Amino acid sequence: AQTVTQSQPEMSVQEAETVTLSCTYDTSESDYYLFWYKQPPSRQMILVIRQEAYKQQNATENRFSVNFQKAAKSFSLKISDSQLGDAAMYFCAYRSPVLNYGGSQGNLIFGKGTKLSVKP
Amino acid sequence: DAGITQSPRHKVTETGTPVTLRCHQTENHRYMYWYRQDPGHGLRLIHYSYGVKDTDKGEVSDGYSVSRSKTEDFLLTLESATSSQTSVYFCAIRDGGSSYNSPLHFGNGTRLTVT
Repeated sequence: AQTVTQSQPEMSVQEAETVTLSCTYDTSESDYYLFWYKQPPSRQMILVIRQEAYKQQNATENRFSVNFQKAAKSFSLKISDSQLGDAAMYFCAYRSPVLNYGGSQGNLIFGKGTKLSVKP
Repeated sequence: DAGITQSPRHKVTETGTPVTLRCHQTENHRYMYWYRQDPGHGLRLIHYSYGVKDTDKGEVSDGYSVSRSKTEDFLLTLESATSSQTSVYFCAIRDGGSSYNSPLHFGNGTRLTVT
C-alpha cells in the first residue's frame, strides 16, 4: 500500500522569505499523481499545486513550486516570498492512476500535515 | 469554488445515537468521498461513491455507512455514535470525465463531537 510521510510537523518562516516543506512517499507504481493542499484556520481544503509523475518538469503556481525527485520518491513544496496568508496546515497527497471502470477511484492518500507559521 | 455543501457544519451528539451527515454538490460530478480528519492522522478515507447507488469502503469504514440515491447527495451515517468518531468530516468530489489528474474539491467540513 502507498504511504505518504511529512517529516516536519511544524515549520516557521519569516515574512518575505522562502520555505520548503518536505514530503516523501512509498509506492511500487510507476505512474501516479501528487498534490499539495493548504488548510488555513477556516478549515477549508485548498489545492495548491499538482504534479504528474510522468512529467519531469517541476510544477509551479505563482509563488509555489515543487521539487519532484521521482527516484528518491520526494515531492517537496517551496513557497517563495512568504506572506502572512500562507500560514496554514499543508498536506501532501498521493493518487494512484485512476481506473474509471473499477479499481482505484481517484482517492487521495494524505500525509499527516505540516503546520506552517509565518512571522511578520 | 466547487459547489459543495456539507450539513450540518457543527454537531454535538451523545454516545449511542444515530447521526447522518449530508454532502450536497451542484457540479454533477460522478465521484464523491467522505474523509475524516484527526490530529496526527491527516485525512483518511471512510467511504466513496463512483455513481448513484455505487459505493465502496475506504481505509476507516468500520462504524459508518453511506448512501447515494441521487448524483448530488452523498450521506454518511453513524448508526450508533461512539466517542472515537469525534472528528472533522470532509466531503470531496471529483469530475470523472476530466483528465486523470483532476483534483478533489472539498466541502468546508462538519465538526462532530460525540459526548
